[in-house]
Amino acid sequence: DSGVTQTPKHLITATGQRVTLRCSPRSGDLSVYWYQQSLDQGLQFLIQYYNGEERAKGNILERFSAQQFPDLHSELNLSSLELGDSALYFCASSEYGGLAEKLFFGSGTQLSVL
Amino acid sequence: AQTVTQSQPEMSVQEAETVTLSCTYDTSESDYYLFWYKQPPSRQMILVIRQEAYKQQNATENRFSVNFQKAAKSFSLKISDSQLGDAAMYFCAYRSAGSQGNLIFGKGTKLSVKP
Repeated sequence: DSGVTQTPKHLITATGQRVTLRCSPRSGDLSVYWYQQSLDQGLQFLIQYYNGEERAKGNILERFSAQQFPDLHSELNLSSLELGDSALYFCASSEYGGLAEKLFFGSGTQLSVL
Repeated sequence: AQTVTQSQPEMSVQEAETVTLSCTYDTSESDYYLFWYKQPPSRQMILVIRQEAYKQQNATENRFSVNFQKAAKSFSLKISDSQLGDAAMYFCAYRSAGSQGNLIFGKGTKLSVKP
């Protein structure tokens, strides 16, 4: 168990809908990362937060947004969903976001858009 | 831009034997970190081993070791005494200041272990 909790584990929804994925980092970790894993794109970095502030942004669509709350949990919001958004979404955390730090991953949320 | 390439989509090994998974990367930076992650059928991403680019000594974690060739930009993973539980997808990843501190992953290698 990595200590990173993601809910829900599975999510099935329809095109055009909006969903929220939730992540609780390991105790003491201030930095949260979101990654998307799909068959065609592989594992891609979406966005990183550190202590409530956005630190880095990757290949995140404008329809997607995220935030990190004062209690350090994070939410990834996906709106106007398309079939191509179906993927496994991972959250990871690390203590300060430093390069040498290990990232600990949650077990992911499997999103299916029908 | 940094890239990570895993040229072996699938590999197979006999239980108790040794297998080596290949990874190459492209970067113009001198300070970076390399990782191997394991993803079993449970989907959990598990860190196997980490290598700092400034260290010449190859990292080792129990049955897992790496062959880090900085000049060749090569970072292979050796699994000794393979076990059935080693069957998984293995991802090579790169991290540096130039990648905004975030992991850049290869496409992965699916490892099968035969009893």
